[in-house]
Amino acid sequence: GAVVSQHPSRVICKSGTSVKIECRSLDFQATTMFWYRQFPKQSLMLMATSNEGSKATYEQGVEKDKFLINHASLTLSTLTVTSAHPEDSSFYICSARDNTGLSYNEQFFGPGTRLTVL
Amino acid sequence: AQSVAQPEDQVNVAEGNPLTVKCTYSVSGNPYLFWYVQYPNRGLQFLLKYITGDNLVKGSYGFEAEFNKSQTSFHLKKPSALVSDSALYFCAVRAAGNKLTFGGGTRVLVKP
Repeated sequence: GAVVSQHPSRVICKSGTSVKIECRSLDFQATTMFWYRQFPKQSLMLMATSNEGSKATYEQGVEKDKFLINHASLTLSTLTVTSAHPEDSSFYICSARDNTGLSYNEQFFGPGTRLTVL
Repeated sequence: AQSVAQPEDQVNVAEGNPLTVKCTYSVSGNPYLFWYVQYPNRGLQFLLKYITGDNLVKGSYGFEAEFNKSQTSFHLKKPSALVSDSALYFCAVRAAGNKLTFGGGTRVLVKP
């Protein structure tokens, strides 16, 4: 089945530092990847849509200069939280859309990355 | 605009009893409907989806859901709940070409 991995699974950093989170589709090509943020006991909020080879599309209220997204290949997208602050602490989940085969249009989700900013 | 409502924040059920998690949606055009489950500190796991065809969709772990167009609902069901089904469940919808929109989630607690 389609598998999406994220690395790291958990990261603790000091305020002001930058953190990079990787999202990989392991056995399929993902033209489109999505980045979500989830606060405790809440639903997933879409932050941005990442398209391979082009600029990401950010949702309203999401700072593109703070949350840098790069989707350089069909299997890898990265989210960099720049100058992180405690309010950026959250659970970040990526998702990849399989545009081939029988799973057309279905999104597969990574296991998430827990970011804690001290 | 598309939206999803999960009216219950939490559902409690005894092990062995039927489990129902409610979901209603609003979307322009034909909906693609999904159910996902999330365990603590984990990503979302796909349970089932409705794209077209038979209104009753069977998915993973014994779950099923029924698409009801007139009531714009897509309730998740399991005939006999297990303690291991305790988790957070999300309903999601999207129209063709649109982004996925999630409901607020329903926490299921299955008691032994």
